[in-house]
Amino acid sequence: GAGVSQSPRYKVAKRGQDVALRCDPISGHVSLFWYQQALGQGPEFLTYFQNEAQLDKSGLPSDRFFAERPEGSVSTLKIQRTQQEDSAVYLCASSPRRIASGNTIYFGEGSWLTVV
Amino acid sequence: ELKVEQNPLFLSMQEGKNYTIYCNYSTTSDRLYWYRQDPGKSLESLFVLLSNGAVKQEGRLMASLDTKARLSTLHITAAVHDLSATYFCAVGRYTGTASKLTFGTGTRLQVTL
Repeated sequence: GAGVSQSPRYKVAKRGQDVALRCDPISGHVSLFWYQQALGQGPEFLTYFQNEAQLDKSGLPSDRFFAERPEGSVSTLKIQRTQQEDSAVYLCASSPRRIASGNTIYFGEGSWLTVV
Repeated sequence: ELKVEQNPLFLSMQEGKNYTIYCNYSTTSDRLYWYRQDPGKSLESLFVLLSNGAVKQEGRLMASLDTKARLSTLHITAAVHDLSATYFCAVGRYTGTASKLTFGTGTRLQVTL
């Protein structure tokens, strides 16, 4: 597709349920980011991939959060045993190269997660 | 820890007026980004500023970067209602292995008729 595609767009999960959020970046993009955006806040960094390598996962809030990008294209963010505080929009972004190259970073529409 | 602050947090302005949004950051940066976000939508890239003194303009928006002052500005000229949105600046850092964007708090702009 032309842009970063995320699914599902909306997800309601019961507390304790596991969820998986998918990101399809722009074809050929090397860098892939996951961000968490709470209502009325700016996006908060979760994790960064360069191709299939997860080079920074310092923003993952707990060991319930796990991300992968096994073939260097599609990525999945998994949240185990969801809690109410996990309710947020999860944004995926991709870029042709690393930030140092100055390329634009493109964001997807986000996956809106509500934990009830 | 890198901190990115924007001000004002909320801005209500009349159509036709000019105003500036400020973005301060606490440590050296590789790149400075400006994004627009409409309610319920994702982030739309506006500008990427690559070096000290960089200035970019698109329509009624102009962004500049002063790396010595660790300051970027987004200037709005003769605002129109369509510019109503939330504007975020983000600082890009490359650590040698990983890349990261740190976002500001956002400025919610409301342009009134």
